[in-house]
Formats: sequence, structure tokens, C-alpha cells
Amino acid sequence: AQSVTQPDIHITVSEGASLELRCNYSYGATPYLFWYVQSPGQGLQLLLKYFSGDTLVQGIKGFEAEFKRSQSSFNLRKPSVHWSDAAEYFCAVGFTGGGNKLTFGTGTQLKVEL
Amino acid sequence: DGGITQSPKYLFRKEGQNVTLSCEQNLNHDAMYWYRQDPGQGLRLIYYSQIVNDFQKGDIAEGYSVSREKKESFPLTVTSAQKNPTAFYLCASSTPSTSREQFFGPGTRLTVL
Repeated sequence: AQSVTQPDIHITVSEGASLELRCNYSYGATPYLFWYVQSPGQGLQLLLKYFSGDTLVQGIKGFEAEFKRSQSSFNLRKPSVHWSDAAEYFCAVGFTGGGNKLTFGTGTQLKVEL
Repeated sequence: DGGITQSPKYLFRKEGQNVTLSCEQNLNHDAMYWYRQDPGQGLRLIYYSQIVNDFQKGDIAEGYSVSREKKESFPLTVTSAQKNPTAFYLCASSTPSTSREQFFGPGTRLTVL
């Protein structure tokens, strides 16, 4: 079965600093990859997705992610973090033949220091 | 505006009572999903439905039941058999496409006293 690992449970960065959130998956074929963001007590909002083509994908709110097949990774990046980016971030993976089911990582809680 | 609605936002029940959580979507999506979210555990799939009148168990279906009588609606019942029902419940929907993106509702916080 496929799995998703987000190794960092909590990350703290200063406002204006760069950010990288890590995501690794285990699955043999090319996966469908997603990053979602969740504010406290709210649903999940899609930041970006990858399913084919250019391995560097741009998303909303200035986020980007890069699919690296050799490392089974899909890390999320932002060059300059804003205080409003404080939230929980989830990586998710789907695969061909799995219907539209997704497997989610356990999340990374981002704190932004002013 | 198209979207997914979940009601109520907060729900309190006494132990031993069944409770039904509502999920409605007007996105014309075929597939719908229920997830449970607990701190530090991410989202775990309870049930999903890819078409009307059909649904499948997810990873943690024990103590839960669902129905899918209409395309727009996918209610989740938390039964008294669920040993630890207090959690945040999220409903999502998607359409068959190459992108597999799921759209989420705002969630229901269930507290069993």
C-alpha cells in the first residue's frame, strides 16, 4: 500500500524567511501528488498538485513544489513566508487504479514568528 | 457558489447515542468521501462512494455507516459501536479526472460526552 511521510511535525520560521516542507511517498508508479493547507477548525484548501508534465509546479499564495522521482519526494517551498501562512500543511498521494482515493501524511504545523 | 456544506459545525452527543453528520455538495461530483482527523494522525478515510447507491469501506470503517441515495448527499452515522468517536470529521468530493483533486467541506467537530 502507498504511504506518505511528512517527517517534520512542527516547523517554526521567521516572517520573510524561506520555507521548505518535506514530503516523501512510497509507491512504484508515478503518483498524483497534492499539498493542502488547513487553518484551525477549517477544511482543507488545495495549494497545488502534480500529475504529469513539468516537475516544478506553481500553486496559490506563492507556493511551489518540485516532484523528484529519484527521491520519491514532493517538497513544498515558499521564498518568503508571511505571518498568514501559519497553518497545518498536508501532503497527499493518489495513484492510477486507486479511483480518486488519496492517502494523506500526518501533517506539518507551521508557526511563523514575527 | 458551488461547494460542500457540512452541518452542524459543532455537535455534542451523549455516549451510547447514534449521531448523523450531514454532507451536501452542489459541485455535481460523482465521488464523495468521509475522513476522520485526530491531532497528529492526519486524515484517515472512513468511507467513500464513487457513484450513487454504492459505497466502500475505507481504512477505519468500524463503528460508522453511510448511505448514498442522492448524488448530492453522503451522510455519515457515527454509531454507539465506535469506541472513540470524538474527532473532527471532514467530507470531500471529487470528479473522475486526471487530476484526482478532492474538494473539502468545512468539517464537523463531534464531541461525545
